[in-house]
This record gives sequence, C-alpha cells and structure tokens, in this order.
Amino acid sequence: GAVVSQHPSRVICKSGTSVKIECRSLDFQATTMFWYRQFPKQSLMLMATSNEGSKATYEQGVEKDKFLINHASLTLSTLTVTSAHPEDSSFYICSADRAEAFFGQGTRLTVV
Amino acid sequence: GENVEQHPSTLSVQEGDSAVIKCTYSDSASNYFPWYKQELGKRPQLIIDIRSNVGEKKDQRIAVTLNKTAKHFSLHITETQPEDSAVYFCAAYSGNTGKLIFGQGTTLQVKP
Repeated sequence: GAVVSQHPSRVICKSGTSVKIECRSLDFQATTMFWYRQFPKQSLMLMATSNEGSKATYEQGVEKDKFLINHASLTLSTLTVTSAHPEDSSFYICSADRAEAFFGQGTRLTVV
Repeated sequence: GENVEQHPSTLSVQEGDSAVIKCTYSDSASNYFPWYKQELGKRPQLIIDIRSNVGEKKDQRIAVTLNKTAKHFSLHITETQPEDSAVYFCAAYSGNTGKLIFGQGTTLQVKP
C-alpha cells in the first residue's frame, strides 16, 4: 500500500515555542492530506484538511492561527503548532488523500 | 455534521470466543467504511473495509457487515486470540466531503 511518513515521531518542547511536524507521501502524489489529533484513550479527531497549493480547511473549533498548515508540494504537508501550551500535548497524525487512509507514524507532542 | 457512533467502548472476551463491534453513521453520502486496529502508541492499521455496494465482506477471522438502510455496520472477529487485543476504530468516508470520520473506539481485551 501507499506509504506516508511523518516526522518527528516524538517531540518535547517548552511552553510558548512552536513545533513543526512533517507529513510526506513517499510513493504517490497527495493533493489532499488530513491532520488528526488523538488524546489518550480517545478517538482520532479531524483537525483540518490540507490542500496542495491552497489554504487548509479547518474543522469547527480548531484555531487556524494556532495550527498552521502548509501544503506546498504534492508530497509534503506540514503542521506547525504555534505558541504551544501543555494542553496541546497530544498525538498528532496525518493521512493522505485516499479513502483507504494511509497514516503516518504519528507524532507524540509533549509541551512542558 | 457527520457523526459516527461506536459501541461498546470496551469489550472483554475469552480466547476463542467471538467479538462484535457495532457502528452507526449519520451522513447518508458515506460510501466507504474501513476498520482500523491501533496498538498503543502506534498508527491505526487498516484491517478490513467495505464499500456501500456490498453487504458483507470476510477476510479469514474478520468480517464486516453493512446495512445501508439502517446506516449500521459491524465488525466480527471469530476465534479471537490474545494478539487481537487492541483498540479498534470504525470510520465512515463521505465522497461528498472527502472526510473520514472515526467512531470513538473499542478497547478489545482477549483473555488467554
């Protein structure tokens, strides 16, 4: 199946700093990628849809100025968590634009 | 908006018994229904899926059924094994919105 690679797998940052997470489709071109957030023992919640060459579409309740998404190429989407706070600590995971969602490995973000 | 309800939230069975997880969806435009298995700290892995033009699909010990009229779909695992223990998520994909919406998850425990 298709391969989606996400980096980093784990990151610890200080409160107030920004963190960038990369999601790459390795063997196909993805015009659309999806970003999810998963809190412990909870489901995957769609945060936003990343569209190559255009603005991302955010789900209700997700702050677009806090979670910056850039999809500059057909193989790379990035999520930047700006001015991170401890409540942003979560598992962030991306997927590519197939109904058969192929997920990246996920990024465990811890804000201290 | 789109919604997927999943039950039960936890399920404990003896090794060799069957396990059934049920989901309902709200978006009548949903046309693809994947099931994922997620182990702790890892990405969700697709285990089986079904499209809206099919009522049932089986793959070895795993089967999925779909009732489009009632907007229900279910996962059936037979002859459960301890390695089946994990969190299982159902999801519904809408061709209209391009979104994959997840159920809340079911923690399955298979006791040896």
